Amino acid sequence: NAGVTQTPKFQVLKTGQSMTLQCAQDMNHEYMSWYRQDPGMGLRLIHYSVGAGITDQGEVPNGYNVSRSTTEDFPLRLLSAAPSQTSVYFCASSLSRFSGNTIYFGEGSWLTVV
Amino acid sequence: AQTVTQSQPEMSVQEAETVTLSCTYDTSESNYYLFWYKQPPSRQMILVIRQEAYKQQNATENRFSVNFQKAAKSFSLKISDSQLGDTAMYFCAFITQGGSEKLVFGKGTKLTVNP
Repeated sequence: NAGVTQTPKFQVLKTGQSMTLQCAQDMNHEYMSWYRQDPGMGLRLIHYSVGAGITDQGEVPNGYNVSRSTTEDFPLRLLSAAPSQTSVYFCASSLSRFSGNTIYFGEGSWLTVV
Repeated sequence: AQTVTQSQPEMSVQEAETVTLSCTYDTSESNYYLFWYKQPPSRQMILVIRQEAYKQQNATENRFSVNFQKAAKSFSLKISDSQLGDTAMYFCAFITQGGSEKLVFGKGTKLTVNP
């Protein structure tokens, strides 16, 4: 059981480049989300999805796009990378929306924008 | 505003001793869950313990237990018989029903267990 898989684990981008962080889960979870973690901070919600075809913005959505074409996958796209997007990104999933179920996190993706 | 405050940026404890990490939170919702997550140097987010707000009984998981004071909006984590592997950042978080139902995190407490 792979759980939540994020790729790549490390990436260096130049300002203005675009890229996609991949997230996949094999637990048939409805709810998936992306968080970012900056130094000295807890995680902050970027975007989330309550099921295939449904996405919505979180706390810090600017500069990011998401889509959810399948239950398993929830990619995060950086449209035009900026140094302020240097962060560690976590994908998370849970069985359903607000049920107190365990929220599973991926191992994180370290992104540096130079 | 929904916030989590962890007032201890760093703490240290001797191996085999007990340590308590503090957490206070603010929400106007009545239905929510509280969590403690452990983040070792690998950065993996690991669920330590979960508390349902409507349950008065404090949650326990082996050496980890919480002191949940709903009226005071306090949710402290006690680690008994501390082990070197407990060295990590610890984040307190909660999730409420409605809206994005996001996890709201504190800024974390860096715990070091000394041999």
